[in-house]
Amino acid sequence: GEDVEQSLFLSVREGDSSVINCTYTDSSSTYLYWYKQEPGAGLQLLTYIFSNMDMKQDQRLTVLLNKKDKHLSLRIADTQTGDSAIYFCPSGESQGNLIFGKGTKLSVKP
Amino acid sequence: DGGITQSPKYLFRKEGQNVTLSCEQNLNHDAMYWYRQDPGQGLRLIYYSQIVNDFQKGDIAEGYSVSREKKESFPLTVTSAQKNPTAFYLCASSKRGGGIQETQYFGPGTRLLVL
Repeated sequence: GEDVEQSLFLSVREGDSSVINCTYTDSSSTYLYWYKQEPGAGLQLLTYIFSNMDMKQDQRLTVLLNKKDKHLSLRIADTQTGDSAIYFCPSGESQGNLIFGKGTKLSVKP
Repeated sequence: DGGITQSPKYLFRKEGQNVTLSCEQNLNHDAMYWYRQDPGQGLRLIYYSQIVNDFQKGDIAEGYSVSREKKESFPLTVTSAQKNPTAFYLCASSKRGGGIQETQYFGPGTRLLVL
């Protein structure tokens, strides 16, 4: 079945770039998503990419998709302390439901 | 001001008690979802509903029940049969119809604690 693998932790210095990686076993989604979760809060849709694209840029965010390798990444340029959060990249199943990994906790040090 | 609301923010349950978590949306979305999140874990699907008066079990439905009498509302009851209910519960909704319309939007969550 579908599964999503992410590194659990990433630590960067303020001002550096962050790259969060995600590998999925399969996805039936037309779109692939990145969600951000701040402590004690719900999930916020950060950005998404159409599954037939290989790159999308949205201000400080760059999403890269390698569909052949089933690899998705999120690059955050000029990372700020407000970017500290858990990031999820769910894959989609055929019924339209999402499969979540454990998320990557990004810590930004000043 | 459209969105998804969940209440209460914190909920305390005593042994043997059923408790109900509220989820309301005014986005005119057809589908609604309930997820459970444990510390350091991802989200696991409890129940989902694609249309009023219909709902399906997710991966961890045991000990939970739902209803979908109105399009805007999808309450979740945590029954006494759920032996380990302490978790963060997230509600989401989406339009149906395929493509970008199926993007899920999340509420702020309810934290359930057992006394």
